Amino acid sequence: AQKITQTQPGMFVQEKEAVTLDCTYDTSDPSYGLFWYKQPSSGEMIFLIYQGSYDQQNATEGRYSLNFQKARKSANLVISASQLGDSAMYFCAMREINAGGTSYGKLTFGQGTILTVHP
Amino acid sequence: NAGVTQTPKFQVLKTGQSMTLQCAQDMNHNSMYWYRQDPGMGLRLIYYSASEGTTDKGEVPNGYNVSRLNKREFSLRLESAAPSQTSVYFCASSEYMGPITDTQYFGPGTRLTVL
Repeated sequence: AQKITQTQPGMFVQEKEAVTLDCTYDTSDPSYGLFWYKQPSSGEMIFLIYQGSYDQQNATEGRYSLNFQKARKSANLVISASQLGDSAMYFCAMREINAGGTSYGKLTFGQGTILTVHP
Repeated sequence: NAGVTQTPKFQVLKTGQSMTLQCAQDMNHNSMYWYRQDPGMGLRLIYYSASEGTTDKGEVPNGYNVSRLNKREFSLRLESAAPSQTSVYFCASSEYMGPITDTQYFGPGTRLTVL
């Protein structure tokens, strides 16, 4: 079973509008962390935001916020006031504390969502 | 402060050739990682080094070897390249593995083509 699922291969948004990128995850560990990364066309992976499973409040970093719904196992990224420079691939990733054996602490990535911001 | 650097940026190999991808970080991080990114598959962990002097296999280690040369440097070697190893390779580092808060920072990637 997929540990991280990003169901939107591509999303479009108008400049200055908000957009939500979906991410659902699957784990039986009570302790885990969720991350979002941005990959622009230049190829580098840029860390955006982190949410811990025990965090009571949704994480925010500037225009990025994470809509964390633990019971639904979803960790959607919300980008407010989209900018042309937000056009990129976005990856959701999870770190489990007890993934077992040699996979301890590793990040598992989803397949990504391509976001295109229109002027 | 360059973060994580990788060399080379691009490489074309013939089947059977060998090469080493270099990675260095200047953030004094203890843990380092090698990933590969294939179209439609996200990133997959090849090898990692939780701390200087240790290395372990990740999800897709076959065909690769690694060396943690010192705290700063972590290299990935392809002994006999195969077309299936055509991919983009990312090196990453983090302060230390373990806590769920540990954030990994990535290098710019190496685009490798094996003919």
